[in-house]
Amino acid sequence: GEDVEQSLFLSVREGDSSVINCTYTDSSSTYLYWYKQEPGAGLQLLTYIFSNMDMKQDQRLTVLLNKKDKHLSLRIADTQTGDSAIYFCAESSPHDYKLSFGAGTTVTVRA
Amino acid sequence: NAGVMQNPRHLVRRRGQEARLRCSPMKGHSHVYWYRQLPEEGLKFMVYLQKENIIDESGMPKERFSAEFPKEGPSILRIQQVVRGDSAAYFCASSPVPATGGYTEAFFGQGTRLTVV
Repeated sequence: GEDVEQSLFLSVREGDSSVINCTYTDSSSTYLYWYKQEPGAGLQLLTYIFSNMDMKQDQRLTVLLNKKDKHLSLRIADTQTGDSAIYFCAESSPHDYKLSFGAGTTVTVRA
Repeated sequence: NAGVMQNPRHLVRRRGQEARLRCSPMKGHSHVYWYRQLPEEGLKFMVYLQKENIIDESGMPKERFSAEFPKEGPSILRIQQVVRGDSAAYFCASSPVPATGGYTEAFFGQGTRLTVV
């Protein structure tokens, strides 16, 4: 299956950490991605993780992968107002160029 | 290097009309992918094209939808005789090499929001 599920909304106070969760069903997924979409803009690849890793850190972003539970999360440290956007989780399988996306989590950062 | 350009950004069509959505890939990219996002759903793959070739159209509805990527000019997604259910955001992505082997370095455009009234 190619189902990717994520919660639709997250509200966080400026300066706090945001955690966006995602679950997927395809056990053959090899790469998992996080995309960010700001209002009126296209999808921007934030980060990705290969399925043989369980964590990847890139500045304020931390990706955690629990392959056994097929659970992926994105943590944004010290959330800023510029982090307000829609965040999409996506996965791809071996030898397959198609990306399967979740519905997106709308993150709202409040002062 | 300009990103993936899609136009128009917003398109309103009456039921029964035709919609033409354009996508200019990034410079040097010859692989184009179209995705559709229905309200409150994730992006769904529609079609993968290379210059003058349709590689995979398994996500395209069987009727009324067609796509092309000519030797010169942008890729076009055409929807004939639009219906209300076609209202969605249509995203185009491009890549410099065939996106195989799992990792897809796909760069997305801003999308075209189609509204059918």
